[in-house]
Amino acid sequence: LAKTTQPISMDSYEGQEVNITCSHNNIATNDYITWYQQFPSQGPRFIIQGYKTKVTNEVASLFIPADRKSSTLSLPRVSLSDTAVYYCLVGDRYYGGSQGNLIFGKGTKLSVKP
Amino acid sequence: GAGVSQSPRYKVAKRGQDVALRCDPISGHVSLFWYQQALGQGPEFLTYFQNEAQLDKSGLPSDRFFAERPEGSVSTLKIQRTQQEDSAVYLCASSLWGDPGTYYEQYFGPGTRLTVT
Repeated sequence: LAKTTQPISMDSYEGQEVNITCSHNNIATNDYITWYQQFPSQGPRFIIQGYKTKVTNEVASLFIPADRKSSTLSLPRVSLSDTAVYYCLVGDRYYGGSQGNLIFGKGTKLSVKP
Repeated sequence: GAGVSQSPRYKVAKRGQDVALRCDPISGHVSLFWYQQALGQGPEFLTYFQNEAQLDKSGLPSDRFFAERPEGSVSTLKIQRTQQEDSAVYLCASSLWGDPGTYYEQYFGPGTRLTVT
């Protein structure tokens, strides 16, 4: 599995766009980039996955440059309820699914202030 | 529908006591995972079941940790002779399983916070 590096913490204010970047220099050809979100006192939950370019869903957007050595999770107009830890994971298409366990780093603790 | 549930949500044990943590996966989910999350860290894998079969227990930190899923649904994680270093949140996750070419997302429960005093 490719090693990932992301900031330990970030602060933001309500209504701002937040971008969290993850570095994964050793990403393999078959690897996908997946982001999980963990609210306080809850288990992690899948929020978005991508392979290249841009992926968008109702929660976030994921930007992946052509070299795929990094990725950026973008949260539009954050609210207080977006305060959580965000984990970047890299693995093959089925990583973390029913076939195998997830390996989490420390993640990025996002604090949204009023 | 109902998600993954875990009980108790909080458990305080004195060092040396045995504890049992329960996980009720989403109905019909074949795969079940246990993770341990220390304060300020990401979750770490403990063990994996497919139905009642424990296919991977490589993450269990010692032989004091034991997990079972006898009927392929509810699972119990048991810790014998608890130590202070066992204090953590224990998370359970479940997922569907079937076509090896299909990605089945893991759904996590809220966890059980174990404090060993």
